[in-house]
Amino acid sequence: ILNVEQSPQSLHVQEGDSTNFTCSFPSSNFYALHWYRWETAKSPEALFVMTLNGDEKKKGRISATLNTKEGYSYLYIKGSQPEDSATYLCAPNNFGNEKLTFGTGTRLTIIP
Amino acid sequence: NAGVTQTPKFQVLKTGQSMTLQCAQDMNHNSMYWYRQDPGMGLRLIYYSASEGTTDKGEVPNGYNVSRLNKREFSLRLESAAPSQTSVYFCASSESGGKTEAFFGQGTRLTVV
Repeated sequence: ILNVEQSPQSLHVQEGDSTNFTCSFPSSNFYALHWYRWETAKSPEALFVMTLNGDEKKKGRISATLNTKEGYSYLYIKGSQPEDSATYLCAPNNFGNEKLTFGTGTRLTIIP
Repeated sequence: NAGVTQTPKFQVLKTGQSMTLQCAQDMNHNSMYWYRQDPGMGLRLIYYSASEGTTDKGEVPNGYNVSRLNKREFSLRLESAAPSQTSVYFCASSESGGKTEAFFGQGTRLTVV
């Protein structure tokens, strides 16, 4: 089971502001890094699956970058909206271990 | 396209009772997972199945058994329920572990009294 750290644990952001948070993971034998968005009382939904060092992915106002050599990924949200309020989870994989184990997440609250 | 379907949605058990949570996916996925959601701890992996007939322990397997009898279905069994197993349980599937996104069921809220 990989050691995954997400920071911060929680975050309050004013509507319209941009924000970012971090997922740290062991860099050895890296295979893939997943980001999920989890709204209260719903099921987690995939945002990105990233595999290459330097990879950058974007979906609307949300984007993510990946550094596999140093073992971290950033998730960015531009111009936060109330509907962005959710817990954001990351899950790294390494070779030989296809289990999807998650960090404890960053809980984002957007203040109108 | 139903995706991942879990049954039941809600269940109350008495301590010591047994039950099976059912999960089925219609996306022809190879990998399937069972998680539990606990406050402050996010999603913790109970068991994982890479393919039909194979299963592997996750982070918190004690008190649970699983069965992957075919490609579509992955069931989770509590043999003797304990209050510590009160949680929301999520089933998920992916085309193959690792490089493909996982799709989650709607969750089963289990209370053990």
